[in-house]
Amino acid sequence: AQKITQTQPGMFVQEKEAVTLDCTYDTSDQSYGLFWYKQPSSGEMIFLIYQGSYDEQNATEGRYSLNFQKARKSANLVISASQLGDSAMYFCAMRESSGYSTLTFGKGTMLLVSP
Amino acid sequence: GAGVSQSPSNKVTEKGKDVELRCDPISGHTALYWYRQSLGQGLEFLIYFQGNSAPDKSGLPSDRFSAERTGGSVSTLTIQRTQQEDSAVYLCASSPPGPAISPLHFGNGTRLTVT
Repeated sequence: AQKITQTQPGMFVQEKEAVTLDCTYDTSDQSYGLFWYKQPSSGEMIFLIYQGSYDEQNATEGRYSLNFQKARKSANLVISASQLGDSAMYFCAMRESSGYSTLTFGKGTMLLVSP
Repeated sequence: GAGVSQSPSNKVTEKGKDVELRCDPISGHTALYWYRQSLGQGLEFLIYFQGNSAPDKSGLPSDRFSAERTGGSVSTLTIQRTQQEDSAVYLCASSPPGPAISPLHFGNGTRLTVT
């Protein structure tokens, strides 16, 4: 079973608008972390934001916020005031606390920001 | 400080040849990970090191793939008798000791092309 599901292969948004990238996850662990990474065309993986399963408040980092709904097992990324430089591939990932803790990635969402 | 360093950044090799990919993690990071990313795809986990030990090698696609880590630092991923399907970007990441739930820091990857 897929642990991380990103249902949007591609998203389009106009500059200065907000956009939400969807992510759902599956785990039986009580303690886990959710991450979003950005991968521009240059290929580097840039860490954006982290949400812990016990965190009561949604994480925010500048223009990025994570809409965490634990009961629904969703961790959507919200980008406010999109910029042209936001055009990239975005990956949702999860790290469970049990056993060894690698990072499991979704298949990604390609975001294109137009002027 | 210095990030995760990978070399070479690009490697073109003939089918059947062996290749070695190198990863130098962030100083003090005890955990080291190898991932593979095929064109337009998500990240596929290959192997994880904690110190010099590899608790999980289950992601290695075949026995042509092997990896080692020495001195709790540099890691080498070796692919023997390369095949065209091995063409991909190989990403290395590291994370610090402490609580399991922390982000992975990625290198810029090695783009392997098998002709």
